[in-house]
Amino acid sequence: AQKITQTQPGMFVQEKEAVTLDCTYDTSDQSYGLFWYKQPSSGEMIFLIYQGSYDEQNATEGRYSLNFQKARKSANLVISASQLGDSAMYFCAMRELSYSGAGSYQLTFGKGTKLSVIP
Amino acid sequence: GAGVSQSPSNKVTEKGKDVELRCDPISGHTALYWYRQSLGQGLEFLIYFQGNSAPDKSGLPSDRFSAERTGGSVSTLTIQRTQQEDSAVYLCASSPYQETQYFGPGTRLLVL
Repeated sequence: AQKITQTQPGMFVQEKEAVTLDCTYDTSDQSYGLFWYKQPSSGEMIFLIYQGSYDEQNATEGRYSLNFQKARKSANLVISASQLGDSAMYFCAMRELSYSGAGSYQLTFGKGTKLSVIP
Repeated sequence: GAGVSQSPSNKVTEKGKDVELRCDPISGHTALYWYRQSLGQGLEFLIYFQGNSAPDKSGLPSDRFSAERTGGSVSTLTIQRTQQEDSAVYLCASSPYQETQYFGPGTRLLVL
């Protein structure tokens, strides 16, 4: 079974500083995908970044980068130059990439980290 | 283009009543998912539709929950005889086959 662990219930960061949100995962699958979503107070889940288990380069999307350490089974999200609008819940999620039976495409989510950006 | 839409945005109902939640996926997305998010928790998978294949219902918490997807597009999640523990945000997502899921704004359900 897949499991995602986010050990930081809450984080504070000064505006314009960088912040790292931790995510570790557990899976017996060789082929999987890792995702980060942002959930502002409005409630919508916004896709931020994706990393495939066979990708050799760490994923980057604008101010977001994913620090992928496969041997450690970690997929930390790094947000550079934090902005007030980055204040939100952040969820790490994963799913299998190869079909292995019913239910293999759903995302497994961590419990999230609440990020607060301080002016 | 238009994103995933869900209705209603909020629903308050009395214990024991039935409710229907609607999801309109992104046009052309063949996969549709329902998740539930209880207060302060991550998302819990409920059900998955892919094209014309039989849905994966492995996440439905009880037989009071059911969902259908008509014409490979709009989906309805039905909760019969609602209980207070059903209070949560119900999120729908859609994706092209095996690709990134994009979420709707959710329906906030409160069972009194």
